[in-house]
Amino acid sequence: GQNIDQPTEMTATEGAIVQINCTYQTSGFNGLFWYQQHAGEAPTFLSYNVLDGLEEKGRFSSFLSRSKGYSYLLLKELQMKDSASYLCACMDSNYQLIWGAGTKLIIKP
Amino acid sequence: GAVVSQHPSWVICKSGTSVKIECRSLDFQATTMFWYRQFPKQSLMLMATSNEGSKATYEQGVEKDKFLINHASLTLSTLTVTSAHPEDSSFYICSARDVGADTGELFFGEGSRLTVL
Repeated sequence: GQNIDQPTEMTATEGAIVQINCTYQTSGFNGLFWYQQHAGEAPTFLSYNVLDGLEEKGRFSSFLSRSKGYSYLLLKELQMKDSASYLCACMDSNYQLIWGAGTKLIIKP
Repeated sequence: GAVVSQHPSWVICKSGTSVKIECRSLDFQATTMFWYRQFPKQSLMLMATSNEGSKATYEQGVEKDKFLINHASLTLSTLTVTSAHPEDSSFYICSARDVGADTGELFFGEGSRLTVL
């Protein structure tokens, strides 16, 4: 079956770095997305990886290893506003998105 | 970037009434839109895939007669919750893919919070 796994909750300190991991098993693969969702709001796009390697975008970076079925989202210089849920989603061979349950990131001062 | 607009943002209704939620892609055409439901502190749950000009594809366990989806144009999909009950109270979110964009990125509407009394 298709499955996306990511930690339920993580805690980090303001100014620090945190890495949120995501492992996946899907029928085919057409890319992996990371979305940020603040409580009560719709998700917003963070990154898309379809080739192996690291994509850097400001304070956020996303890494993909297709052979390992693994991705991570790296957040640097954490700010309080980064407190949110981070959703990992894979696009399968039918271009359907398979969603992880999300990782709730709590930032402490 | 592309914009998806969802309306209404908030709706409160009495049990037994029907509620329509609109999802519009404002600056791109979307042959496919997706409808999600999200209960508090839970992840997005895909309800159905809305296809322009054809019937929607519903996920297992989602009642097609209760959640009516109409995708009459390339920029508009509607979700109607028929005979709503308190257990239908949830955050409903639509998304659309800009197939013209390099990443095929999904853009989300603002979400509609439904409260059924």
